[in-house]
Amino acid sequence: GPKVLQIPSHQIIDMGQMVTLNCDPVSNHLYFYWYKQILGQQMEFLVNFYNGKVMEKSKLFKDQFSVERPDGSYFTLKIQPTALEDSAVYFCASSLDRNSGNTLYFGEGSRLIVV
Amino acid sequence: QQKVQQSPESLTVSEGAMASLNCTFSDGTSDNFRWYRQHSGKGLEVLVSIFSDGEKEEGRFTAHLNRASLHVSLHIREPQPSDSAVYLCAMSPYSGGSNAKLTFGKGTKLSVKS
Repeated sequence: GPKVLQIPSHQIIDMGQMVTLNCDPVSNHLYFYWYKQILGQQMEFLVNFYNGKVMEKSKLFKDQFSVERPDGSYFTLKIQPTALEDSAVYFCASSLDRNSGNTLYFGEGSRLIVV
Repeated sequence: QQKVQQSPESLTVSEGAMASLNCTFSDGTSDNFRWYRQHSGKGLEVLVSIFSDGEKEEGRFTAHLNRASLHVSLHIREPQPSDSAVYLCAMSPYSGGSNAKLTFGKGTKLSVKS
């Protein structure tokens, strides 16, 4: 089936540094999402993105977070500067539209460890 | 904000026996309910998506939704060892579209023994 690819799969970074998580969504998809899952906790919504804009974000999407998809390339989540509490697995997802449950696809996650 | 509780936290069944997983939610603000599966180290695989009260079947997976009792369940017929994974219940609010913003439960870890 359709695949969402995430790069890197794992990253260890020093607190205070910048990190960029990359997502290659399904080719014809228009909506993009990031979710965060801290070890042992449920997956939580961060942000959704459409037509070059953030449509909705949660309170977890701090000022240090930003997303973009320049010129149809990777959909990225940037954290600058990173904090210890940013350690988590970040899942990217994409969908063709906003309303069909079966067109939402998730990647395998990027595990971020901030030390 | 919608709260989602899944039970049990873990479940072990024998191959071929029915597996039943439960999910309760805190209010009636959700529009679409779905079950995902997550194998260790992998992404989420959607199993069933249900909008209306009643039952929806996708292969060996059947979801039951009862909005009045704030409950959605997943039944797995003839489970196999390859079905061993974490099963996540998720739902989306009425506004913004059903893909827009999902609220997840913590998951049920299913082990299927041969």
